[in-house]
Amino acid sequence: EIVVTQSPATLSGSPGERVTLSCRASQDISINLAWYQQKPGQAPRLLIYGTSTRPTGIPTRFSGSGSGTDFTLTISSLQSEDFAVYYCQQYKNWPPHLTFGPGTKVDVK
Amino acid sequence: QLQLQESGPGLMRPSETLSLTCSVSGGSVSSKTHHWGWARQPPGKGLEWIGSIPYSGATYINPSLESRVTISVDTANNLFSLRLTSVTAADTGAYYCARLLQGDVLDIWGQGTLVTVSS
Repeated sequence: EIVVTQSPATLSGSPGERVTLSCRASQDISINLAWYQQKPGQAPRLLIYGTSTRPTGIPTRFSGSGSGTDFTLTISSLQSEDFAVYYCQQYKNWPPHLTFGPGTKVDVK
Repeated sequence: QLQLQESGPGLMRPSETLSLTCSVSGGSVSSKTHHWGWARQPPGKGLEWIGSIPYSGATYINPSLESRVTISVDTANNLFSLRLTSVTAADTGAYYCARLLQGDVLDIWGQGTLVTVSS
């Protein structure tokens, strides 16, 4: 099983600030990585897939980068609606054995 | 606009079998470009992929749950289902159905349904 880790566990930021979240896979997953945002009481929302592709409707302030085992999600200018938990998920193998990281909580500084 | 809606029991007893249904509207489970699947989240914890199924009916299940999970698709009623046998307290949590892009990225999610296992 490919283990996914995230850091930090909690990140405190201020509105307007640029923040970077990290995700690491236990083996090379190429660019097969997605990011999700989850707010309290809500289902997760897909933000990024293929490491850097935003689905329609996702604001451009969200960007992803990386390859192999190390990845980042950057929020260029933190907005009030961005305070949430962010999960990364790898999908290297077929048949699929999808695994998620433990999450990074972004809260208000 | 595609929407997914889970339905099922909220409270279960240990050893019972959990059955959840996900109704799909605004799209078809017969889509050849998408899979349909389930994920869950224990209270206050992270996400776990349970499994997924394309329209063809082949299933892909998390190895940690493989002995207890069945996923099926009902094209006539445009829905798909999850069956989890021998539930314990460790199965308590929110269960989400989702559409998957090419079987690996969950791009549309249902709102989730909370399942509590308690004696």
